[in-house]
Order: sequence, then C-alpha cells, then structure tokens
Amino acid sequence: AQSVTQPDIHITVSEGASLELRCNYSYGATPYLFWYVQSPGQGLQLLLKYFSGDTLVQGIKGFEAEFKRSQSSFNLRKPSVHWSDAAEYFCAAATSGTYKYIFGTGTRLKVLA
Amino acid sequence: ETGVTQSPTHLIKTRGQQVTLRCSSQSGHNTVSWYQQALGQGPQFIFQYYREEENGRGNFPPRFSGLQFPNYSSELNVNALELDDSALYLCASSLGREGETQYFGPGTRLLVL
Repeated sequence: AQSVTQPDIHITVSEGASLELRCNYSYGATPYLFWYVQSPGQGLQLLLKYFSGDTLVQGIKGFEAEFKRSQSSFNLRKPSVHWSDAAEYFCAAATSGTYKYIFGTGTRLKVLA
Repeated sequence: ETGVTQSPTHLIKTRGQQVTLRCSSQSGHNTVSWYQQALGQGPQFIFQYYREEENGRGNFPPRFSGLQFPNYSSELNVNALELDDSALYLCASSLGREGETQYFGPGTRLLVL
C-alpha cells in the first residue's frame, strides 16, 4: 500500500541551528512530493514541491528539500532555524493519475531561544 | 487572487446531528478536495470533486457526502455525527485532478459532543 512516513514525531532545535526533517515514501512509482507547514489552529501552507528534474528543490522561507530515489526519501532542510519556524511539518505524496494526497503523520518542531 | 476560504471556522454539534461545511476554491481552480485531520494526525483524504462530479473517495462511510457547485465552491455534509468525527476539516483547491498542487484553506474545527 502507498504510504508516507515521517519517523520523527517531535524535534527540538536551538534558534540558528540547522534542521533536517525526514520523510520516506512507499509507492510503486516515484510520486509527486510536497512539504507543508501548519501553525497551531491553521491550515496547511505549501513550502515546496517536487515533480521531476533537479533533485534539490528550493522553497519558501529558506527551506529546501532533496529527493533521493535510492532511499525513497524527500528530506526537508533549513540551514538556520528561526523561532517563527516552530510549527508542524507534513510531508505528502501523490501520483500522476490519482486524486488524493497521502500525508505523513507530521513532525512537530520546537525552537529554543 | 483570492485564496481558499472555509466557513464556519468553528462548530459544535451533538452526536446524531448533521453538519454542512463550506469551501470556496481559489480563483481559477476547478477541483476541490476535502480532508479530515484528527488531533495529532496527518490529514486523511475524504473525497474530491472535479467540475461538479465526485472524482474519488477515501475510506469514509456514505454519511460523508459532498457537492460542488458551478462556481466550483463546495460543501461537505456529515450525517449522524459521531464523537470520532471531531476533527479539523480541510478543503484544498487545485487546477486539474492529477496530483496537481493543492492549496489548503484554514479549515473548520468541528467538535461533536
């Protein structure tokens, strides 16, 4: 069955430190991949997406993600975290010809001042 | 360009009642998808509407139903509410139905007592 796994439920980093959030997918073919951020009580905001081509994808707010086919991964990174980045992050996947996103369970990021 | 809007923002119902949630899609988008996000979980796909017809459905019972109108706005109806229906209901709009980028609204938080 198709699935998206985010192994880390919670991550805590200090402000200014680097960040990497993990995402693994299980699909028959390479899916479209997305990262969304959700602030408390809010909807989802798209950070970046990968459809094809360059495996390093740049997004908003200084985020980037790298697609690694061999590892079935699409990890999100940021070189220097700001306190305002504290939120929940969701990885999602969809395949061409389908109509639904499959989301991971999310990673809650806490930023220490 | 107007983003995705949802109403109401919050709602409290009792078990057995019926509820209607509303979504206005982003300008130019003809596809609306609905997701249920239980507390501490990732969003789960309920169904999608493309040009006023249901285009796919997740593992939700028939008491979850929907509509899409000619202006591409949409409704989610839930009959015979159960306690487990308490969740954040997210609407997302997109252009096309095949894994296109979905843009999410702020959600409606439903509490069933």
